[in-house]
Amino acid sequence: EVQLVESGGGLVQPGRSLRLSCAASGLTLDDFALHWVRQAPGKGLEWVSSISWNSGSVGYADSVQGRFTISRDNAKNSLYLQMNSLRAEDTALYYCAKDRSPHYGGHGLVYWGQGTLVTVSS
Amino acid sequence: QSVLTQPPSVSAAPGQKVTISCSGSSSNIGNNYVSWYQQLPGTAPKLLIYENNMRPSGIPDRFSGSKSGTSATLGITGLQTGDEADYYCGTWDSSLSAVVFGGGTKLTVL
Repeated sequence: EVQLVESGGGLVQPGRSLRLSCAASGLTLDDFALHWVRQAPGKGLEWVSSISWNSGSVGYADSVQGRFTISRDNAKNSLYLQMNSLRAEDTALYYCAKDRSPHYGGHGLVYWGQGTLVTVSS
Repeated sequence: QSVLTQPPSVSAAPGQKVTISCSGSSSNIGNNYVSWYQQLPGTAPKLLIYENNMRPSGIPDRFSGSKSGTSATLGITGLQTGDEADYYCGTWDSSLSAVVFGGGTKLTVL
């Protein structure tokens, strides 16, 4: 079965850090761009960050630029998101998603995990 | 405020057809591919349409996509109660260097 499984979410105080992971099974990630997309409770989808197949290109939403870092380990078939200086507005369900293309740019996010919930609160 | 504009809600009766619009600009829809996603209640989004009008394997041909200029449309025919979900359009914005999504449209099958 094809699966993306996110982990690492939880309750964290404002200003603290958290590292999310996304592990794949039943599919290989190394030829495709990967993404983090979040969804605040009751809200729509918000793109967070993307990384190309070989980590040569990365992109961030303005709202997380300078605070979040995306990375991947193709040998481990995994994607990561290091989140620093967390804010209340970062509270959301964080999804990892696999692109249809090696390079991100609107080709479609074909596989999605079930998400990991990040709650930023004191 | 989303970069792409979708109607908040649409509704139609079972068996009928519905369309969902997605409006953008030349920096996003006008010059990039559009995708559509279905999010059933309590689940992760699912890719319905990619590259404007292509369906991934397993997606029934009741779902269709089209694009004209800076707007895109998702069409669903033969509506079923199981189609009740939130639908999102998405694309790349060349000016923002960002993936952008519409605000989502809630489909109600009456």
